[in-house]
Amino acid sequence: DTEVTQTPKHLVMGMTNKKSLKCEQHMGHRAMYWYKQKAKKPPELMFVYSYEKLSINESVPSRFSPECPNSSLLNLHLHALQPEDSALYLCASSQILGEKLFFGSGTQLSVL
Amino acid sequence: AQSVTQLGSHVSVSEGALVLLRCNYSSSVPPYLFWYVQYPNQGLQLLLKYTTGATLVKGINGFEAEFKKSETSFHLTKPSAHMSDAAEYFCAVRGQGGKLIFGQGTELSVKP
Repeated sequence: DTEVTQTPKHLVMGMTNKKSLKCEQHMGHRAMYWYKQKAKKPPELMFVYSYEKLSINESVPSRFSPECPNSSLLNLHLHALQPEDSALYLCASSQILGEKLFFGSGTQLSVL
Repeated sequence: AQSVTQLGSHVSVSEGALVLLRCNYSSSVPPYLFWYVQYPNQGLQLLLKYTTGATLVKGINGFEAEFKKSETSFHLTKPSAHMSDAAEYFCAVRGQGGKLIFGQGTELSVKP
């Protein structure tokens, strides 16, 4: 299994809602990542987990809250988002930090 | 600090023609370099990577890239373009803490 599975594929939420994005991999990878990607732009790193510990937070606003419950799962909790947070959110994993990342297909998020 | 510059935000080739996508990097340490491809509405997929050793790297789908230290380049090539190669291509360098630093991307169009 070489897949990173993200759910949901699409999400529409209001600015007062609370929602969560989920990511799962069963490749035994110990590094997991959240990226944000705007249309026609490269992915921007948000968070990195290494061995289930948060190792990088790219000064992301607190309305985004990551969680790594175990080595296979990565969540991104969303609360009080702004319309400018609308984007494609990509999860990735790798065996070695920063090498050969496997990406999921992403969650297309729209904030109204 | 590491950085990547992709020359040309859009490249158009005819089917069967040579594909050349340009990438120049800046790194204070020996670089780890990557090319990723992103098809519409999908996540990124690793095409190839250079870490150490042979400077000509072969990847999937007939793509290859050559690491040239003297030119600080890592250009991506494919001898004969196929319609299915139309996508967004990102060059990336591994940064501190395992961060992947992406270039701005090059959109490849293939004309019949």
